[in-house]
Amino acid sequence: EPEVTQTPSHQVTQMGQEVILRCVPISNHLYFYWYRQILGQKVEFLVSFYNNEISEKSEIFDDQFSVERPDGSNFTLKIRSTKLEDSAMYFCASSENRNNSPLHFGNGTRLTVT
Amino acid sequence: GQQVMQIPQYQHVQEGEDFTTYCNSSTTLSNIQWYKQRPGGHPVFLIQLVKSGEVKKQKRLTFQFGEAKKNSSLHITATQTTDVGTYFCAGSNAGGTSYGKLTFGQGTILTVHP
Repeated sequence: EPEVTQTPSHQVTQMGQEVILRCVPISNHLYFYWYRQILGQKVEFLVSFYNNEISEKSEIFDDQFSVERPDGSNFTLKIRSTKLEDSAMYFCASSENRNNSPLHFGNGTRLTVT
Repeated sequence: GQQVMQIPQYQHVQEGEDFTTYCNSSTTLSNIQWYKQRPGGHPVFLIQLVKSGEVKKQKRLTFQFGEAKKNSSLHITATQTTDVGTYFCAGSNAGGTSYGKLTFGQGTILTVHP
């Protein structure tokens, strides 16, 4: 069964550094998302992306965050200047080409900011 | 903004006992989805409910969507140790154009004692 893949599985960075989290969505999916989950808490929406542009973003997704689809397969989340509170599990997800279809999540990248 | 509340936060049962988790939204939903997250894993889609009053079954799991499309429940009959994990409901706003923006509940952590 096709799956969403994320790299790296764990990223440790110092406060103020830039990080890029990478994702390869399922190949025939057209909608891409980033969610995050602070340890032990609920899954929170960050951003949705369709047709090479952001469809919607949450209040968490401030100017320090950006997303990009640099080629036909990768989907990246960049945090320009990490803060301690950015430490979380970041999940990439994708869905088929229709509204409100189920999300397929990747295994996540655990980001630790020290 | 939309809030999705889920109770209980924790549920510990003996194997063979039933389990129910409840989900309530502050706003009317277009649909509700349920996900299961195993410890250390990522959310995995279980089911989507769309119609008012809808009931769906998957083996020992029964999902319901309320008549007002503001609440939902997941019931597991005769739990097994493989049911261990966190169960999340996630709702999508009615009348919106949210491409996959799901608001997750806090989740119910289910542990099953053999």
